[in-house]
Amino acid sequence: GEDVEQSLFLSVREGDSSVINCTYTDSSSTYLYWYKQEPGAGLQLLTYIFSNMDMKQDQRLTVLLNKKDKHLSLRIADTQTGDSAIYFCAEVSSSASKIIFGSGTRLSIRP
Amino acid sequence: DTAVSQTPKYLVTQMGNDKSIKCEQNLGHDTMYWYKQDSKKFLKIMFSYNNKELIINETVPNRFSPKSPDKAHLNLHINSLELGDSAVYFCASSQGQGSQPQHFGDGTRLSIL
Repeated sequence: GEDVEQSLFLSVREGDSSVINCTYTDSSSTYLYWYKQEPGAGLQLLTYIFSNMDMKQDQRLTVLLNKKDKHLSLRIADTQTGDSAIYFCAEVSSSASKIIFGSGTRLSIRP
Repeated sequence: DTAVSQTPKYLVTQMGNDKSIKCEQNLGHDTMYWYKQDSKKFLKIMFSYNNKELIINETVPNRFSPKSPDKAHLNLHINSLELGDSAVYFCASSQGQGSQPQHFGDGTRLSIL
């Protein structure tokens, strides 16, 4: 079945780069997403990548997609305290009727 | 100018009661969703509606009944609340189904005593 997996926690030092990893199972996924959830708020779409792309860059964010390994990563350059949040990876199901979310990675920043 | 708004933000009630959560979006989207987020932050889709028609109905107890009076509103009514219903419920909307990015409300935190 469709499944998206992420590690639960990541701790980085302020100013360093954060890399959040995700694996998915549906090889026919057309879109893959990264959402950010801050405490007490809903999910906010950060960025997305089409399956025919290998990389997408948007300011401090870089998304890498390895279709062969079904691996997606989100790199946040120069991590700031405001980046503390839970980051969800998501794929579009093969039937394209719904989005499957991973369990979320909680990113914490240490000084 | 909240895009997806849910009410109430917090809901505390006793087991066995019936309650409703309301959701409205002003983005002009035609598809709306309800998600349940448990204490471990795992997010699971419950329902989706496209132009007031039910599209997705995951394995959810029939105590949960969504209602979409128009494409800008999707309400969730829950009968006979149980302890396991305690969670944060998120409404979301998108233009089109499936692959389109979804916009989320801020959630309704439901606590069952």
